[in-house]
Amino acid sequence: DQQVKQNSPSLSVQEGRISILNCDYTNSMFDYFLWYKKYPAEGPTFLISISSIKDKNEDGRFTVFLNKSAKHLSLHIVPSQPGDSAVYFCAASVAGFQKLVFGTGTRLLVSP
Amino acid sequence: NAGVTQTPKFRILKIGQSMTLQCTQDMNHNYMYWYRQDPGMGLKLIYYSVGAGITDKGEVPNGYNVSRSTTEDFPLRLELAAPSQTSVYFCASSIGGRSNQPQHFGDGTRLSIL
Repeated sequence: DQQVKQNSPSLSVQEGRISILNCDYTNSMFDYFLWYKKYPAEGPTFLISISSIKDKNEDGRFTVFLNKSAKHLSLHIVPSQPGDSAVYFCAASVAGFQKLVFGTGTRLLVSP
Repeated sequence: NAGVTQTPKFRILKIGQSMTLQCTQDMNHNYMYWYRQDPGMGLKLIYYSVGAGITDKGEVPNGYNVSRSTTEDFPLRLELAAPSQTSVYFCASSIGGRSNQPQHFGDGTRLSIL
């Protein structure tokens, strides 16, 4: 049973435009959500996170939105840059503890 | 600052062989983790450790063993390699156990079992 789902395996965006990556979850006990970015042949790197007590968190070009009623979160990248091309993983945890449950990832390609 | 270092980067094993994947971190982090990532899938937690001498199972622990004798090192052992263990293995560490203390990952070990 996939508790964290990223239904879009890939996304292509032009440089300068907005990238929107989506993530859905089924476990209503999840209370902390994170996005990780992964380049080929490297490990994931932490990008941004959000607690369930918030509905938005912003860090520079990256904003994460959380809709608890829909069990949905999204990552917005504005403006998108070619260096943003990577695989993005959504992850969730229960009770703020580090046993993360990862989604399957979305490959973002930003073309010049 | 090296962060989390995994060795080897690549390995091919025969069915039934054993091996140890090495992981070391130089950030003095208390928590360490082992994940596996199968093609087209997300990372799944194998084992984790909250400090030297303390380990616990994650989501997919069968076929693996771990130990944590020092803060820095968290090796993962495969005793009888099976084709189902073909995967990319990632080690990670975090300073604490709360989700708002992000995990730092190594670059992975790509393991093929034939």
